[in-house]
Amino acid sequence: EAQVTQNPRYLITVTGKKLTVTCSQNMNHEYMSWYRQDPGLGLRQIYYSMNVEVTDKGDVPEGYKVSRKEKRNFPLILESPSPNQTSLYFCASSLLNPGTSNYEQYFGPGTRLTVT
Amino acid sequence: LAKTTQPISMDSYEGQEVNITCSHNNIATNDYITWYQQFPSQGPRFIIQGYKTKVTNEVASLFIPADRKSSTLSLPRVSLSDTAVYYCLARGAGTALIFGKGTTLSVSS
Repeated sequence: EAQVTQNPRYLITVTGKKLTVTCSQNMNHEYMSWYRQDPGLGLRQIYYSMNVEVTDKGDVPEGYKVSRKEKRNFPLILESPSPNQTSLYFCASSLLNPGTSNYEQYFGPGTRLTVT
Repeated sequence: LAKTTQPISMDSYEGQEVNITCSHNNIATNDYITWYQQFPSQGPRFIIQGYKTKVTNEVASLFIPADRKSSTLSLPRVSLSDTAVYYCLARGAGTALIFGKGTTLSVSS
């Protein structure tokens, strides 16, 4: 089954404790992306990757890191989480850049992160 | 930098046609316009995508005028299960993607 998986689905942590949210897709997609969703603000892109070893900042990259060492995986790293990073996070993938060609993004189920 | 603007919310009744308009004044020449649907506690789901004029699939229609500064998602004969948030998507600087804040559609019986 074609899918995007994220782990963990729920996470409660404390300020400053490094964490990683994993994202994996089994569709051989080049493009992968991370979004955060907050009430009243919609979805905002954090980072995206056009292919292995190619990453770029989205709309709200501050406080986050990503890596793309393998095509299928795109982990999101919070080196020193703060309460303002409490949010619902989504990973997505698509075959090519979804803004310039007729390809859809597939979204994971989301990770709800709480930083106290 | 492309930015999308949509109504915050809309209400409808079952069986009616719903039209949600999104403005995207700075859309790039070669960009597609994409719409997504999101139910609570789920990731967004692709509905439809188009470049110009009209696109129709089994779920919705998308109307894009010649100047491409706006687009209208049309949902024919909505049902209660169409209650969701609908996002219009455009491309930002470089290849970043910008979702709007979404339109919350509430369908009542």
